[in-house]
Amino acid sequence: DVKVTQSSRYLVKRTGEKVFLECVQDMDHENMFWYRQDPGLGLRLIYFSYDVKMKEKGDIPEGYSVSREKKERFSLILESASTNQTSMYLCASAGPTEGTTEAFFGQGTRLTVV
Amino acid sequence: AQSVTQLDSQVPVFEEAPVELRCNYSSSVSVYLFWYVQYPNQGLQLLLKYLSGSTLVESINGFEAEFNKSQTSFHLRKPSVHISDTAEYFCAVSEGGGANNLFFGTGTRLTVIP
Repeated sequence: DVKVTQSSRYLVKRTGEKVFLECVQDMDHENMFWYRQDPGLGLRLIYFSYDVKMKEKGDIPEGYSVSREKKERFSLILESASTNQTSMYLCASAGPTEGTTEAFFGQGTRLTVV
Repeated sequence: AQSVTQLDSQVPVFEEAPVELRCNYSSSVSVYLFWYVQYPNQGLQLLLKYLSGSTLVESINGFEAEFNKSQTSFHLRKPSVHISDTAEYFCAVSEGGGANNLFFGTGTRLTVIP
């Protein structure tokens, strides 16, 4: 069964902390994504990666960075967390770009920055 | 860039009544269309998708959606809803088929009332 696993369901961090959100997929997918979900705004793409060590900015990359050292793992990093980064974060993966028809999502990490 | 509009942010409906969740997109070029569902405290799951062929697509749990190219719409319908259908529903559009350019609507929260 297809699986995308996010390391934490809930996180509470202090303003200014460095925060790591981890995501692992077991489908050997090339593409991985980080989205942010906020009420009334839907899902907004932060970053995506189409191969190991490759990354592309999405719609709202400011304040975030990513790391993809291994194909199965894609990390989202908040260098210095701020309260406006309190949100639900969703990781997704998808197969080769040509013919990709579906993204698979993790359970989400609800991050609160205080 | 593509934009996806879900006109209704919340839709309350009585159990066993029919429901329609509306979705319109902006581009007139060839697109792939998706509906994702998010149950409480879970990630997104693919409900159904249109890639090509028949404009009416169905899911295994009784939902259906019809691709209307002239109206650039992909409305989701179910003739009789169940309590278990209570969830948030997201319409998504991909222009090139690749998940890296998947655009999401803001979501519609469906609440089924007993």
